Amino acid sequence: EVQLLESGGGLVQPGGSLRLSCAASGFTFSNYAMSWVRQASGKGLEWVSGISGGGGNTYYADSVKGRFTISRDNSKNTLFLQMNSLRAEDTAVYYCAKSRGAVTGSTDSWGQGILVTVSS
Amino acid sequence: IQLTQSPSSLSASVGDRVTITCRASQGINSYLSWYQQKPGKAPKLLIYAASTLQSGVPSRFSGSGSGTDFTLTISSLQPEDFATYYCQQVNSYPYTFGQGTKLEIK
Repeated sequence: EVQLLESGGGLVQPGGSLRLSCAASGFTFSNYAMSWVRQASGKGLEWVSGISGGGGNTYYADSVKGRFTISRDNSKNTLFLQMNSLRAEDTAVYYCAKSRGAVTGSTDSWGQGILVTVSS
Repeated sequence: IQLTQSPSSLSASVGDRVTITCRASQGINSYLSWYQQKPGKAPKLLIYAASTLQSGVPSRFSGSGSGTDFTLTISSLQPEDFATYYCQQVNSYPYTFGQGTKLEIK
């Protein structure tokens, strides 16, 4: 059974930084692309960032490009999202998500989500 | 690539046939997925590649379309189907979602 467990969320001041982690189990982690998707309270889903299975290709939404960095440690089956220069509009539940393929594809498994709140 | 779903909300009764549409701002071949989300829960993949049913998803759900116009159809609504539905294009990065369609009980 695929399991994705996010950690690292919390309250941070505007301009601050936070690092999210996602521990994966139940599948061969390095064989699949991974993504981060967020959802502000009462709003729709927003794709944030993606990374290929080998980690060599990374992708970002325009709204976070230059501020967020996605990475992965395939030896530890863990996905990361380093978030810098945080803004109030980054406040959301962040989901770790597994793709169906190694480079691209739909998301077939999701974590339970973790809340990030950017506020002074 | 922008995705526009219609309607934004929909009221229907158990047993009804319901169709939700998703229009892409440019062609995305068949690289479109549909998700269901219930309050406080993570989304669930229903359909990928425009028309392929994800394992374990009831056959009352179906998808169709290619290029720029896509539809999600629920053939006979069940009580557990009342939720919000999102389309997502996975043709090219950055991936994008539609704004969602909230399906409510009439």
